[in-house]
Amino acid sequence: DADVTQTPRNRITKTGKRIMLECSQTKGHDRMYWYRQDPGLGLRLIYYSFDVKDINKGEISDGYSVSRQAQAKFSLSLESAIPNQTALYFCATSDARAGGETQYFGPGTRLLVL
Amino acid sequence: GENVEQHPSTLSVQEGDSAVIKCTYSDSASNYFPWYKQELGKRPQLIIDIRSNVGEKKDQRIAVTLNKTAKHFSLHITETQPEDSAVYFCAARPGTYKYIFGTGTRLKVLA
Repeated sequence: DADVTQTPRNRITKTGKRIMLECSQTKGHDRMYWYRQDPGLGLRLIYYSFDVKDINKGEISDGYSVSRQAQAKFSLSLESAIPNQTALYFCATSDARAGGETQYFGPGTRLLVL
Repeated sequence: GENVEQHPSTLSVQEGDSAVIKCTYSDSASNYFPWYKQELGKRPQLIIDIRSNVGEKKDQRIAVTLNKTAKHFSLHITETQPEDSAVYFCAARPGTYKYIFGTGTRLKVLA
């Protein structure tokens, strides 16, 4: 779904570095989410935001922070990256006006922390 | 705690046969159950969903069944084709925002 984009698509970084992953959407959806995907573990929710002023922790928020700069932009930061944060990260959006159920995923960012 | 168990983790079927993937959820408050298909290197995409007030839903070769009493829901793919090969994820939504995903099933359709 080209309406949800993520940058960068791939990133290699070193332990201790701060990095930011960005998500943008042109769908006009109010809700945005960040997930990480690890082999054998499925998708796990890191943070979610229902509005620019509404940000909430998900099940695995430790070591991460987020910023909702605008309705269309939701960024995920790793303040001090560690190797076990190596994963595939997905941003997703949903539309509260349509019930907020269907989530539309971005293409993913593959992160490697050395 | 809340969790969704998904089985099997891998499934190989001959082209034209049916495939069934099963999920069990723990939170009885779950009211929405989507299924996502993720092709290699691609993003998850919704293929079918079901709400807790419905027992079955079909869309061409794909169907989902829900047993609320047993907290089970299943994905059924009939007349499988090579392009059905992918990883399939189930999920349950116990609240208005949270989705609990299963660990995925890698389906291989053998030509």
